[in-house]
Amino acid sequence: QVQLVESGGGLVKPGGSLRLSCAASGFTFSDYYMSWIRQAPGKGLEWVSYISSSGSTIYYADSVKGRFTISRDNAKNSLYLQMNSLRAEDTAVYYCAREAPTGTFDYWGQGTLVTVSS
Amino acid sequence: VIWMTQSPSLLSASTGDRVTISCRMSQGISSYLAWYQQKPGKAPELLIYAASTLQSGVPSRFSGSGSGTDFTLTISCLQSEDFATYYCQQYYSFPWTFGQGTKVEIK
Repeated sequence: QVQLVESGGGLVKPGGSLRLSCAASGFTFSDYYMSWIRQAPGKGLEWVSYISSSGSTIYYADSVKGRFTISRDNAKNSLYLQMNSLRAEDTAVYYCAREAPTGTFDYWGQGTLVTVSS
Repeated sequence: VIWMTQSPSLLSASTGDRVTISCRMSQGISSYLAWYQQKPGKAPELLIYAASTLQSGVPSRFSGSGSGTDFTLTISCLQSEDFATYYCQQYYSFPWTFGQGTKVEIK
C-alpha cells in the first residue's frame, strides 16, 4: 500500500535551518509529481512546493521562495525540503503529498511538526 | 494567484442533514477543483477531484458540482463520521491554493 513517512521536524531558532525528508513506498516513486504542504497550528492548508517526477520542474509559494529548496532522490524513493532562514511564521505541520495523474493530492504523509521559536 | 473564498467557515448540523459548502474562485478554473476532508490530528483525505468525480472509496453521499468560478460540495445525509473540516483546492495554475476551510460541527 502507498505510504509516505515524513521525518526531520523539530524545534529550531529563528534564522536556523532544517531538512525534512519523506520516505515513499508502495508505488513507483519516480513516476509521480510530489509536493510539500503545510498547516500552521489551528489554521488551514498552504501549499509550499512542487517537484516534477524527474525533478526538472520546481515551483514554490512566494512565502518560501529563496529560503526553501525542494529535491528528490528517485533511487532512494525520497523527497526532501531544505528550509533555511526559518521564521516564526514557518511553524507548522509539514506534509508530503503525492500528486495523482488527475493533478490532485491522493496520498498524504502523517506530517512532521516544525516549530520555529527562540 | 487564484484566490478562493470558501463558505461558511463554520456549519452546525445534525446527523441526517443535507449540507452544502461553497467555494468561489477569483477567476475561472474550468473544473480543476478538488475537495478534501480533514479530521483532527490527521492528514487531509481526497474526496472529490475534477469538481465532481468521487475518489475511489468515498461514500456516494458526497457529491461535487460546479465549473468556472463557483463550486459546491454537498453531503446528502450527514453521518457521525462526517463531522470534520473540509477544504477546496484549485489545481488550475500554480501556486496551488486552498480554501480557508469549513468546519462541520454537531448542532
